[in-house]
Amino acid sequence: DIVMTQSPDSLAMSLGERATINCKSSQSVLSSSNNKNYLTWYQQKPGQPPKLLIYWTSTRESGVPDRFSGSGSGTDFTLTISSLQAEDVAVYYCQQYYSIPITFGQGTRLEIK
Amino acid sequence: EVQLVESGGGLVKPGGSLRLSCAASGFTFSDVSMSWVRQPPGKGLQWVGRIKTKTDGETTAYAAPVKGRFTISRDDSKNTLFLQMNGLKTEDTAVYYCTADPIGAHRNWGQGTLVTVSS
Repeated sequence: DIVMTQSPDSLAMSLGERATINCKSSQSVLSSSNNKNYLTWYQQKPGQPPKLLIYWTSTRESGVPDRFSGSGSGTDFTLTISSLQAEDVAVYYCQQYYSIPITFGQGTRLEIK
Repeated sequence: EVQLVESGGGLVKPGGSLRLSCAASGFTFSDVSMSWVRQPPGKGLQWVGRIKTKTDGETTAYAAPVKGRFTISRDDSKNTLFLQMNGLKTEDTAVYYCTADPIGAHRNWGQGTLVTVSS
């Protein structure tokens, strides 16, 4: 199984600051057949289901603000929020869907300082 | 607008069974792979399993903790996804979400249904 490890577990930033969440996979999630990394990011606000933010490492889902961006390849990935807004308070999860079983990171809790 | 509505959750004793349903609308259900993801209270997300489309043989795959006990099926004529859960354990207690995966990733999520396994 591919183990997904996020860092940090929690993060407290001020409004307007840049927030960075890291995700490391125990094996590469890069497909040689299409050169895509099968890595997604989800946002879960309290009391709500998760929401897809980014897929294929860096493709923003429709309607997601452009302050959210994803990068990385192979085994190391990053979710960046360029200017933190109050509504970004949530838990963020990375996930690999390269191989079965599909696995999630443990989550990173983002709070406002 | 895509809608996924789960039902069938509740309280069940260890060793018991439960069948969850997920009614889908707003997209061509038969063309989309579907999954179940669960979240134990206060914990992170766990993938349960998925079912591909009829075109792809309705192939299923499961996470190790549920393999052999849970079965995912779909009824394309009713736009409904199912999760049959047998031999339930206390560690299966969670909110169960159904998801639509048109791009492989879980694009659309239902609101979830709570399953509590307790004596």
